[in-house]
Amino acid sequence: DQQVKQNSPSLSVQEGRISILNCDYTNSMFDYFLWYKKYPAEGPTFLISISSIKDKNEDGRFTVFLNKSAKHLSLHIVPSQPGDSAVYFCAASEDSNYQLIWGAGTKLIIKP
Amino acid sequence: DSGVTQTPKHLITATGQRVTLRCSPRSGDLSVYWYQQSLDQGLQFLIQYYNGEERAKGNILERFSAQQFPDLHSELNLSSLELGDSALYFCASSVGQGEWYEQYFGPGTRLTVT
Repeated sequence: DQQVKQNSPSLSVQEGRISILNCDYTNSMFDYFLWYKKYPAEGPTFLISISSIKDKNEDGRFTVFLNKSAKHLSLHIVPSQPGDSAVYFCAASEDSNYQLIWGAGTKLIIKP
Repeated sequence: DSGVTQTPKHLITATGQRVTLRCSPRSGDLSVYWYQQSLDQGLQFLIQYYNGEERAKGNILERFSAQQFPDLHSELNLSSLELGDSALYFCASSVGQGEWYEQYFGPGTRLTVT
């Protein structure tokens, strides 16, 4: 039973445009949501997080939106740059057990 | 460079064998996490140690065990290996329980069981 789902295995976006990566979850007890970015042959790198008391968090070109009623979060990257080409993982957790539940990832390809 | 080191980088072994994966966390980090990533899958949380004590357990098989030593490095032991254990194994660390969700990952160990 996948509690965190990233339904798009890959996404291709033109450089300079907006990239929108989506993530759905089923567990209403999740308190924290995170996005990680992963380049080939490297471990994931923490990108941005949001707690369930917020609906938006921004960090430079990256914004995460949380819609609790729809159990949906999205990561917006504006403007997209070639260095953003990577696999993006969504992860979530109930604060009480410190365990991160991960989605399968979305491969983002930024076209020049 | 995240500051988390993992050895070895690659490991090829036969079914039924036992291997040990090693992880050194970032300087100052007290928590270590182990994850398994099979082909085209998300990361599966295996286990977390905090300052030498087991803190949380995920989908870790009984054939697998881990420990964290006084110098805070950690080892993941995988025994009676099966073909399905072939995967990337990541270690991550975080400062502690306060910022546990901002985990810093090592480059991973790729295990191939033949």
